[in-house]
Amino acid sequence: AQSVAQPEDQVNVAEGNPLTVKCTYSVSGNPYLFWYVQYPNRGLQFLLKYITGDNLVKGSYGFEAEFNKSQTSFHLKKPSALVSDSALYFCAVREGNAGNMLTFGGGTRLMVKP
Amino acid sequence: ETGVTQTPRHLVMGMTNKKSLKCEQHLGHNAMYWYKQSAKKPLELMFVYNFKEQTENNSVPSRFSPECPNSSHLFLHLHTLQPEDSALYLCASSQPPGRGNTEAFFGQGTRLTVV
Repeated sequence: AQSVAQPEDQVNVAEGNPLTVKCTYSVSGNPYLFWYVQYPNRGLQFLLKYITGDNLVKGSYGFEAEFNKSQTSFHLKKPSALVSDSALYFCAVREGNAGNMLTFGGGTRLMVKP
Repeated sequence: ETGVTQTPRHLVMGMTNKKSLKCEQHLGHNAMYWYKQSAKKPLELMFVYNFKEQTENNSVPSRFSPECPNSSHLFLHLHTLQPEDSALYLCASSQPPGRGNTEAFFGQGTRLTVV
């Protein structure tokens, strides 16, 4: 069985400061890892993914994430937060090419204050 | 816009009603999904279709009945729902496993309220 943990329900950060949203995962085989963002009353928007290759992946809106196999983590980062980044962020995992089962974490609400 | 369109955006229905949610994608994907998002729970995968065939039913009650007439359309038929079924229902699509791009694209969801 695969699972995702997002240990923080909410992350607060001041505008202009770096942000990190944490994610750890558990999966049997090779992990395919994803980050999505959800704005109020909207669906999920794809931000970035790790499939293979460089451990640091870059995505939309200046976000990046670092895959750490030994720590089974895939934390989302941004060097300088914007107020408009305030939203709900979801980490998700899938077991390689074995199936469609995309498992999501519980979500982390990011609040960026001016 | 993600290329996945859900209708209606909002739905209020009584427990004895029958209604349907519709999802349409114009991305050329062959896998489609229904997810349920409740206020206090993580996103729950309900159903998966690959090439119009249902490949996953995540122990969903029979009052939810999916239909996938072709790879571009997915329906969720609802009947005799309970108030606890009130949630945001999200449709998504992707390529099936081993078919290239792996990320799923989501519609904006249908906010369902059962009264």
